[in-house]
Amino acid sequence: AQSVTQLDSQVPVFEEAPVELRCNYSSSVSVYLFWYVQYPNQGLQLLLKYLSGSTLVESINGFEAEFNKSQTSFHLRKPSVHISDTAEYFCARGSGGSNYKLTFGKGTLLTVNP
Amino acid sequence: KAGVTQTPRYLIKTRGQQVTLSCSPISGHRSVSWYQQTPGQGLQFLFEYFSETQRNKGNFPGRFSGRQFSNSRSEMNVSTLELGDSALYLCASSSGQKEMNTEAFFGQGTRLTVV
Repeated sequence: AQSVTQLDSQVPVFEEAPVELRCNYSSSVSVYLFWYVQYPNQGLQLLLKYLSGSTLVESINGFEAEFNKSQTSFHLRKPSVHISDTAEYFCARGSGGSNYKLTFGKGTLLTVNP
Repeated sequence: KAGVTQTPRYLIKTRGQQVTLSCSPISGHRSVSWYQQTPGQGLQFLFEYFSETQRNKGNFPGRFSGRQFSNSRSEMNVSTLELGDSALYLCASSSGQKEMNTEAFFGQGTRLTVV
């Protein structure tokens, strides 16, 4: 079965520090990967996605993720975090050629402290 | 462009009752997926509807069911509620086309509490 593993359940960092949220996926012929963010009492918002092509994908708010096929990883990074980045982050993969049946990791709670 | 609308936002029900949740997708989207989010199990796929037909189904008991109307609005129903059904239920809308460059847009969810 396809799976997604987020290696850290909680990541505390100080404001303006760099952060990496780790995500590994089970290997497959074709892989479609996503990072979603969830703020308290809200739904999920798409941060970025890897479908094909360039292995480095970027979001508009400074996050980036790199698809690494050999290590089956899709880690999320930001060089300098803000208090407002405090949220839960979910790594997910599409299934069977679709993105409407997503398999999610357990989530990583990012807490940015002043 | 209006987003995905889920109603109600909060719901409290008693064990043994049934409940119906509603989801209105983004205009023009024909696919609606439902997910259950709990602290213990995380986010789990329930089912997906496309053009009024269930196209994908997750691993949930038959107490969980859904349907989709001709205007793409979807409802999910849970019968004989159990305490473990307490969760945030999220609906996601997408165009439903097979191309992977379409993304899923999520609603704010319905928080169901079973007492």
